[in-house]
Amino acid sequence: DQQVKQNSPSLSVQEGRISILNCDYTNSMFDYFLWYKKYPAEGPTFLISISSIKDKNEDGRFTVFLNKSAKHLSLHIVPSQPGDSAVYFCAASGGQGGSEKLVFGKGTKLTVNP
Amino acid sequence: KAGVTQTPRYLIKTRGQQVTLSCSPISGHRSVSWYQQTPGQGLQFLFEYFSETQRNKGNFPGRFSGRQFSNSRSEMNVSTLELGDSALYLCASRLNPGGYEQYFGPGTRLTVT
Repeated sequence: DQQVKQNSPSLSVQEGRISILNCDYTNSMFDYFLWYKKYPAEGPTFLISISSIKDKNEDGRFTVFLNKSAKHLSLHIVPSQPGDSAVYFCAASGGQGGSEKLVFGKGTKLTVNP
Repeated sequence: KAGVTQTPRYLIKTRGQQVTLSCSPISGHRSVSWYQQTPGQGLQFLFEYFSETQRNKGNFPGRFSGRQFSNSRSEMNVSTLELGDSALYLCASRLNPGGYEQYFGPGTRLTVT
């Protein structure tokens, strides 16, 4: 039972354009969502997060949008840069009666072409 | 402040053997979680330790076990290795289980032949 889904395994965009990465979840108990970025041979690094009481959080070029009714969140990167090429994981917490366990999606590989 | 460190970085084992991986969290962090990453499966939660006690456990067989020491360092052990255990094993730390943001180490790449 995959509670966090990233349906696009890969995404390719041109440098300077917008990258939109999507994530869907099924557990309505989730109350906190995070995005992590992972380069090869490195551990994931925290990028940005959002609480379920908000619908948008912005940090520089990165913005996360949360649509609770649709159980959907997205990460926007504007403008995209070649250094953003990495695998992006969506994660959620708060399911199963408030469990602090993080549940991750399978990741989306973003390639930003110069 | 030093990040999360994991040793060894790479490991090759034979089926049936056992392996122990080590993780040192960020100084001051008392919660340590372990994840398995395999191609196409993303990060799958193994277990979390806080104050030397296991707080959460994922859906892995009993061959996977862990422990945490009084200095918050953690080890995970996999016994009777199978080919399917080949994966990147990631350790993550946070101040306490109530903190959502986890900080990951570089991982240990385990290959089982």
